[in-house]
Amino acid sequence: DSGVTQTPKHLITATGQRVTLRCSPRSGDLSVYWYQQSLDQGLQFLIQYYNGEERAKGNILERFSAQQFPDLHSELNLSSLELGDSALYFCASSVGLATLGEQYFGPGTRLTVT
Amino acid sequence: LAKTTQPISMDSYEGQEVNITCSHNNIATNDYITWYQQFPSQGPRFIIQGYKTKVTNEVASLFIPADRKSSTLSLPRVSLSDTAVYYCLVGDTNSGGGADGLTFGKGTHLIIQP
Repeated sequence: DSGVTQTPKHLITATGQRVTLRCSPRSGDLSVYWYQQSLDQGLQFLIQYYNGEERAKGNILERFSAQQFPDLHSELNLSSLELGDSALYFCASSVGLATLGEQYFGPGTRLTVT
Repeated sequence: LAKTTQPISMDSYEGQEVNITCSHNNIATNDYITWYQQFPSQGPRFIIQGYKTKVTNEVASLFIPADRKSSTLSLPRVSLSDTAVYYCLVGDTNSGGGADGLTFGKGTHLIIQP
């Protein structure tokens, strides 16, 4: 158990819909990262937040957005969903700001878009 | 352009030592090398990180030659439970941001046979 929690575990929704994925980092960790993992693209970095502020951006689509709240939990919002958005979404956390410090990954949310 | 190159898959047998090599020809002065392990449907788990020469922990060793253009993750006496995907990442651990070091890609699928 990494100490990072993600909800929900599974999510099935239809194309065009909007969903919100939630992540609670390990106690004391200020950085939160979001990743998308699909069979054809591997594990792709989406975005990082540190203490409420966006710090690094990866291959995140404009239809996706994220935020980190004062209690440090984070939410990833996915809108106008397409079939290709079906994937495993991971959240990770780390103590500091550095993007390559040791990260602790949550169990993931499996999103299926039908 | 990918920062790292690693084999897509490898296989070995229980009790053997396994070495997975990662090429990172364009590694920068401040970059560190980090390896993660991922089991199916789970989030990646940090294995080891290093800058130069050799780093060893209870799980693995990391060998980095003087030119730092490659690195080798060494897993001693593997077991069936070491079957997983292994990712090599290169990036600046001291940077205040930047997504370059968070490219996991598709990793190396290691299969251990009895």
